[in-house]
Amino acid sequence: EPEVTQTPSHQVTQMGQEVILRCVPISNHLYFYWYRQILGQKVEFLVSFYNNEISEKSEIFDDQFSVERPDGSNFTLKIRSTKLEDSAMYFCASSESGENTIYFGEGSWLTVV
Amino acid sequence: QQQVKQSPQSLIVQKGGISIINCAYENTAFDYFPWYQQFPGKGPALLIAIRPDVSEKKEGRFTISFNKSAKQFSLHIMDSQPGDSATYFCAASRGDRDDKIIFGKGTRLHILP
Repeated sequence: EPEVTQTPSHQVTQMGQEVILRCVPISNHLYFYWYRQILGQKVEFLVSFYNNEISEKSEIFDDQFSVERPDGSNFTLKIRSTKLEDSAMYFCASSESGENTIYFGEGSWLTVV
Repeated sequence: QQQVKQSPQSLIVQKGGISIINCAYENTAFDYFPWYQQFPGKGPALLIAIRPDVSEKKEGRFTISFNKSAKQFSLHIMDSQPGDSATYFCAASRGDRDDKIIFGKGTRLHILP
């Protein structure tokens, strides 16, 4: 069964460092998302991306965050200058055109120290 | 503003019993109501979903009941098994194709063997 894959599975970074989280969405999907989940809390929407541009972003997705689809398969989330409160599980997700069904990856656990 | 309210926060059910998790929403524009199951260290996985044109949807042991006038929906897990122990999230989104999914806070379900 096709799946969303994410790398790295876990990353530890110093506060203030830049982090790039990578995702390979399901191949025929056109809509891409990033969500995050702080430990023990709910899954929160960060950003949606379609046709090579951001469709919508939440208030969490401030200027330190950016997304990019550098080639036909990868979808990345960059955090420019990490803060302690950025520590969370980051989930990439994708959906096929015309459907609401969103499929999630297994997540990238980011720890900022 | 909490757009999707979920209860209970945690639930313990005997093996073979019925697990019931409830959700309420505020935005009448929501048109799609999925339930996600999440095991520790994994991403949310779509379990079952419903649209407001039906009042109930059943897939195996899992049933969604939907009450449009009350703006409430619930997940029933019949004959609950220890393998069902996980965190369950209700969610909602508008009918737009690229609309984000908004999650409830989650219910940690534990099935006693």
